Amino acid sequence: DVKVTQSSRYLVKRTGEKVFLECVQDMDHENMFWYRQDPGLGLRLIYFSYDVKMKEKGDIPEGYSVSREKKERFSLILESASTNQTSMYLCASSLAQPPYEQYFGPGTRLTVT
Amino acid sequence: AQSVTQLGSHVSVSEGALVLLRCNYSSSVPPYLFWYVQYPNQGLQLLLKYTTGATLVKGINGFEAEFKKSETSFHLTKPSAHMSDAAEYFCAVSVPTWNNRLAFGKGNQVVVIP
Repeated sequence: DVKVTQSSRYLVKRTGEKVFLECVQDMDHENMFWYRQDPGLGLRLIYFSYDVKMKEKGDIPEGYSVSREKKERFSLILESASTNQTSMYLCASSLAQPPYEQYFGPGTRLTVT
Repeated sequence: AQSVTQLGSHVSVSEGALVLLRCNYSSSVPPYLFWYVQYPNQGLQLLLKYTTGATLVKGINGFEAEFKKSETSFHLTKPSAHMSDAAEYFCAVSVPTWNNRLAFGKGNQVVVIP
């Protein structure tokens, strides 16, 4: 079974803090993704990575950065957390070949106060 | 660009009744199609997928979906709803020319009424 794990299920941070969300997959997938999920807005892609040290902006990259130093690990960084970044964050991974099926982690529910 | 439409953010269904969730997509090339399910406070789990071949696809938990190219649709059905089907359901599409990404619909929250 593909396993995608995320470092925390629940996280509470203060405005202005630097926040790190970690994601690890164990299936040697080339692609990794970070989404945020908000009620009524569905899933929105923040960033994705198709190889080590490679990254590409998704639909809502503002206020976020990412790091991929090893193939199995993809980190999402909130440089200065704000209350409008309170959300559910989902990590996913996939092979770089069709059909590009994505496997998801359990999610991190982040609250910024 | 690819897009996915799921109508009706909330869907109520009686226990034992048919579950029908509609999904329409737009794509200029043949797509790969997926349905995912998300239970409360969990990640997304693959229900079923269409890649090539038979257009009626069977998935887990008694769900199935039919790819209809002429209607650009991939509707999800289950003949008899169970209380455990209460969850959020997402339709998604990928195409080879779109950077390995998936486009997701906004989801349907399914409520099962006893």
